[in-house]
Amino acid sequence: GQSLEQPSEVTAVEGAIVQINCTYQTSGFYGLSWYQQHDGGAPTFLSYNALDGLEETGRFSSFLSRSDSYGYLLLQELQMKDSASYFCAVGSYNQGGKLIFGQGTELSVKP
Amino acid sequence: NAGVTQTPKFQVLKTGQSMTLQCAQDMNHNSMYWYRQDPGMGLRLIYYSASEGTTDKGEVPNGYNVSRLNKREFSLRLESAAPSQTSVYFCASSPLPPSSPPETQYFGPGTRLLVL
Repeated sequence: GQSLEQPSEVTAVEGAIVQINCTYQTSGFYGLSWYQQHDGGAPTFLSYNALDGLEETGRFSSFLSRSDSYGYLLLQELQMKDSASYFCAVGSYNQGGKLIFGQGTELSVKP
Repeated sequence: NAGVTQTPKFQVLKTGQSMTLQCAQDMNHNSMYWYRQDPGMGLRLIYYSASEGTTDKGEVPNGYNVSRLNKREFSLRLESAAPSQTSVYFCASSPLPPSSPPETQYFGPGTRLLVL
């Protein structure tokens, strides 16, 4: 079957760096996505990794290791507005390309 | 450009009532999706549509039906609502077909449904 694991909560201070890990088990894996969701809001796309390595988009970076079935989202220079839930999601050919979402990590940024 | 819109924003139903959740997108996307999100949980796919006139089941389709009315609109119907269907429902669209890497899905603001 398919499964994803990510920490339920992470707390960090403004200006710091935080890493949110995601491990997955799926057959036919082809990519790992990250979404951000503010309380009560719609999920918004952050990044996508299909190949091993680091993808950087401004203050956010995402990493994938296909051999370890592991990825992470790195947030730098944390701001209060980064307080939100972060979801990893895997795409699997065996699931017809549809996304399977993790349960989410709630990030709290303190002053 | 409104993106993905959903109506209603909130709804309270009694057990056994029916209702239809509406979703529309103005980005000319082919693929559309319906998800539900329960407290502390990720999104679970209910149904999706790769193109106008086609629909397929997702992870949790029981108790729901869908209609892809045209390229813009994808509706979700609850024929006989149950308390277990209390959730937040998100519609999403993507320019890519479901069989392609879904690099980006665009989500609507959600419909909060309470079934008593």
